[in-house]
Amino acid sequence: EAQVTQNPRYLITVTGKKLTVTCSQNMNHEYMSWYRQDPGLGLRQIYYSMNVEVTDKGDVPEGYKVSRKEKRNFPLILESPSPNQTSLYFCASSTRSGTRNTEAFFGQGTRLTVV
Amino acid sequence: SQQGEEDPQALSIQEGENATMNCSYKTSINNLQWYRQNSGRGLVHLILIRSNEREKHSGRLRVTLDTSKKSSSLLITASRAADTASYFCATGPHFGNEKLTFGTGTRLTIIP
Repeated sequence: EAQVTQNPRYLITVTGKKLTVTCSQNMNHEYMSWYRQDPGLGLRQIYYSMNVEVTDKGDVPEGYKVSRKEKRNFPLILESPSPNQTSLYFCASSTRSGTRNTEAFFGQGTRLTVV
Repeated sequence: SQQGEEDPQALSIQEGENATMNCSYKTSINNLQWYRQNSGRGLVHLILIRSNEREKHSGRLRVTLDTSKKSSSLLITASRAADTASYFCATGPHFGNEKLTFGTGTRLTIIP
């Protein structure tokens, strides 16, 4: 089954304690990205990767890091989490059809609370 | 920055009625997509319409796109209780980052 898998689904942590949210896709997609969703603000892109070893900032990258060492995995790293990073996080992947992008597949989300 | 703006923000209708949601955007696009999100869950792709298309159908869904007005609408016909969810439009750019820019969504409630 084609899917994007995020772990963990729920996480409560304390300020300053490094954490990693994993994301893996089984569709051989080139493009992967991370979004955060906050009430009234919709989904905002944090980082994206257009292929292995190619990553770039999205709209709200401050306080986050990513890596893309393998095509299937795109972990999101919070080196020193703060309460304003409390949010619902989604990983997504997609591929291209010729020069056109296609639908995005989303993970089930990770609800992060930083206290 | 938010590209898409959905209207209305919330909509409640009786089961069996049609639901219409609108989306406006600001810049040139390659395509526009609609997604559904059940409470707190991941987004599910519904339909994609390309910038050179004006209308597209998928089951009970009908999407229109007016690039001159930079707007799109999603029509769900014969609504069901299971259609209760938030609906988001997302625009894909012509160039560069494959980023989808999402609006803030329409919360649809179907009353049985």
